[in-house]
Amino acid sequence: DTAVSQTPKYLVTQMGNDKSIKCEQNLGHDTMYWYKQDSKKFLKIMFSYNNKELIINETVPNRFSPKSPDKAHLNLHINSLELGDSAVYFCASSPEGQGGGAFFGQGTRLTVV
Amino acid sequence: GENVEQHPSTLSVQEGDSAVIKCTYSDSASNYFPWYKQELGKGPQLIIDIRSNVGEKKDQRIAVTLNKTAKHFSLHITETQPEDSAVYFCAASIYNFNKFYFGSGTKLNVKP
Repeated sequence: DTAVSQTPKYLVTQMGNDKSIKCEQNLGHDTMYWYKQDSKKFLKIMFSYNNKELIINETVPNRFSPKSPDKAHLNLHINSLELGDSAVYFCASSPEGQGGGAFFGQGTRLTVV
Repeated sequence: GENVEQHPSTLSVQEGDSAVIKCTYSDSASNYFPWYKQELGKGPQLIIDIRSNVGEKKDQRIAVTLNKTAKHFSLHITETQPEDSAVYFCAASIYNFNKFYFGSGTKLNVKP
């Protein structure tokens, strides 16, 4: 069973389009995240949700909108895609109240053309 | 906010040798330091972590050391094997805060 799964794995789309990436975790964790990894492999946090509530928004453009229908899911919707949005996006989760390291999904490689 | 610096950016070792990756952090409030291994095409995987009330932690061939005064922590891999080849990331956070700041990564190449 995959602990943190995200779909799709690859996404190629044109500039200006709107796309979504889905994420689900079956670890029972309370906190979920979205990270962006650029071409230089740098990992930067975008959002953090705890029990469906947004707790961290790291100066991400408002074209990016996370949605958490329940604590096991955190989806990422991106409007009006730009070339600079091309990157690998990782969903992750971690247990609340214990801190602890985050468990990452396999990533979604987004290419905007 | 926290700033985590990681060195070296690439590291090549012969199989069986040891590898050391070093990180420094800026925020003295940080008290939790995980290390991740990322293989090609996969997400980062937590391999070991250390909290600030501990100076060293070991798990088989990997160990992590922490110097709170100097604000640096290191990953040590002994008896390296080709399957250790990957990109390694350090991170720093405030425990229970659930916000991780990552280093820039070290690409480790273990030559058979």
